[in-house]
Parts: sequence; structure tokens; C-alpha cells
Amino acid sequence: GEQVEQRPPHLSVREGDSAIIICTYTDSATAYFSWYKQEAGAGLQLLMSVLSNVDRKEEQGLTVLLNKKDKRLSLNLTAAHPGDSAVYFCAVSDDTNAYKVIFGKGTHLHVLP
Amino acid sequence: NAGVIQTPRHKVTGKGQEATLWCEPISGHSAVFWYRQTIVQGLEFLTYFRNQAPIDDSGMPKERFSAQMPNQSHSTLKIQSTQPQDSAVYLCASSLEWGGEQYFGPGTRLTVL
Repeated sequence: GEQVEQRPPHLSVREGDSAIIICTYTDSATAYFSWYKQEAGAGLQLLMSVLSNVDRKEEQGLTVLLNKKDKRLSLNLTAAHPGDSAVYFCAVSDDTNAYKVIFGKGTHLHVLP
Repeated sequence: NAGVIQTPRHKVTGKGQEATLWCEPISGHSAVFWYRQTIVQGLEFLTYFRNQAPIDDSGMPKERFSAQMPNQSHSTLKIQSTQPQDSAVYLCASSLEWGGEQYFGPGTRLTVL
């Protein structure tokens, strides 16, 4: 079945710096890609989703890149601020079972003031 | 819109006791999902309902775990004879349609002593 690897598990950056989180997946049939943010004691908040026909998407200081050849998905937070400190998860699913989301193990991001 | 509601937020049980977790999906959402989150395993899919019908419970442990959705306004996850390894955060999510964006509740943290 699908395997998702996420790195790094922990990331510390200074306020204003960028933070990059990467996920790799194994199933070439993967069609849906998402990034979630989880703050302490809260559920997961969807940040951005892309379909497999999209290579790049930018919204509100976040950039998602999809490299289907290398089966790699990345999230770039430009100009991170302390409010971005949280755990970030990538998530993927395929066309056949779009509801069955496979999550990465998460990245604990700490933005230092 | 209150979002997905999960109760209780925290539950402590003794080994061998039963635990029932509740989820109220967003009104109008036809799909409900249950996930388990632990440090070691990360986020694991447990089960999925669509229009109250169980569609996929492939992630549910075969023994002691059961989920129901008696009406469109709530779903329950029941764990019989709880064991320490059942300790986790149990997350419920709902979506408008079967492959759509999933909205997560805050989770129930279950601690089995």
C-alpha cells in the first residue's frame, strides 16, 4: 500500500525565515495532496490541497510544490512567524479511495521570535 | 457553524473498562471519519460512514472496537475492555461529500490506566 515519508520531524526557524517540509510517497496513482496544520490540543486544519495536475500552488504565504516524477510534495512557509508554530502533516489519497487519506508522521515546526 | 464536535475531550478509563466516544459532524455533511493519533503510529484511519452507512472499517482493530452512526447528527466509537495500548487521541472528521475536504474535530484524548 501507499507509504508516505515526511521530513524533517522537527524544524526550528527564526521569525521571517522560510520553512520547508517535504513528503515523499510511493503510489503513482496518488491523485490528491493536502497539507494540514495541528495546533496544540486542536484538530487538523486544512491549509491547502492540490490535485495531481497541479505543480505549484501559492496562497497566503504558503507554497505547495508537487513533483510527480520524484513523487515528492513540499510545503514552503515563507516569512514564518511565531503563530505558525504547530505540527504540519502532509496527506495523500488516490482516485479510487479518495476518502482514505494517508498521513505523514508530521513535522513539529517551532518559529523562534 | 460550530464545526465538528467531539465529546468528551478527555477520558480516563481503567484497564478492562468500556469507553464510548462521541462525534457530531457538521450539519449537512454526508461523510464521517474516525482516526487514531499516537506518537508512534501517527494518524491512522479507522473507519468511514457515508450517509450513515458504514463503508470502510478496514482500519478498525477486529476485536473490541466498534463504530456506529445511528443518525446523521452523531457517530460513536466504542472500545470494549480498554487496554493501555488503546491510549491515543481519537479524531473525528466530516466532509460534505465522500471525496471532499475533511473537517476535523478537536479529538478525544483517551488514557487507559
